[in-house]
Amino acid sequence: KNEVEQSPQNLTAQEGEFITINCSYSVGISALHWLQQHPGGGIVSLFMLSSGKKKHGRLIATINIQEKHSSLHITASHPRDSAVYICAAYNNNDMRFGAGTRLTVKP
Amino acid sequence: SQTIHQWPATLVQPVGSPLSLECTVEGTSNPNLYWYRQAAGRGLQLLFYSVGIGQISSEVPQNLSASRPQDRQFILSSKKLLLSDSGFYLCAWSRILGTDTQYFGPGTRLTVL
Repeated sequence: KNEVEQSPQNLTAQEGEFITINCSYSVGISALHWLQQHPGGGIVSLFMLSSGKKKHGRLIATINIQEKHSSLHITASHPRDSAVYICAAYNNNDMRFGAGTRLTVKP
Repeated sequence: SQTIHQWPATLVQPVGSPLSLECTVEGTSNPNLYWYRQAAGRGLQLLFYSVGIGQISSEVPQNLSASRPQDRQFILSSKKLLLSDSGFYLCAWSRILGTDTQYFGPGTRLTVL
């Protein structure tokens, strides 16, 4: 079992739909990162969480430390949101990555 | 503003040849620097991180090495490439180690034949 599990692996949505991507981890963490990888390979950091909730535009990230679970939500999804979303658990100078969720938003 | 550069963007190398990938950061001082690899069909993996000049920490045993000769320069090297070294190599920096936003470079796509 991987230390960081993401679900779903693949997700197809219609433009405008509300999207949820889940991340569960089995390790202790100091921080949980959400990353976005574009088709060309470039990676952008979306959020870094250690507790609670963060919001940036249409993106919301939450984390439940007790349940070792984080979610990334996208409201009013758009085709430009199509990308691979990756969560990563950081602790003690080590970063463990989920396998990623490939999101395709159709117009 | 800060920027991070990687070169080359793509590289095709024969098995057994040496490797040198370079990463430089502009607009910040004393950054924490990271090398990641994404092998085909696999997730990201942290290879090395550095908190300062000459300070390198390795996360996984491999035939790769890293060096930080200057504050904002991070180099990934190999003396002899293996087929399994093929992948997408990303450099990143952050102000605080691990618990801070990481800023990624554009990456180098390495194919070992």
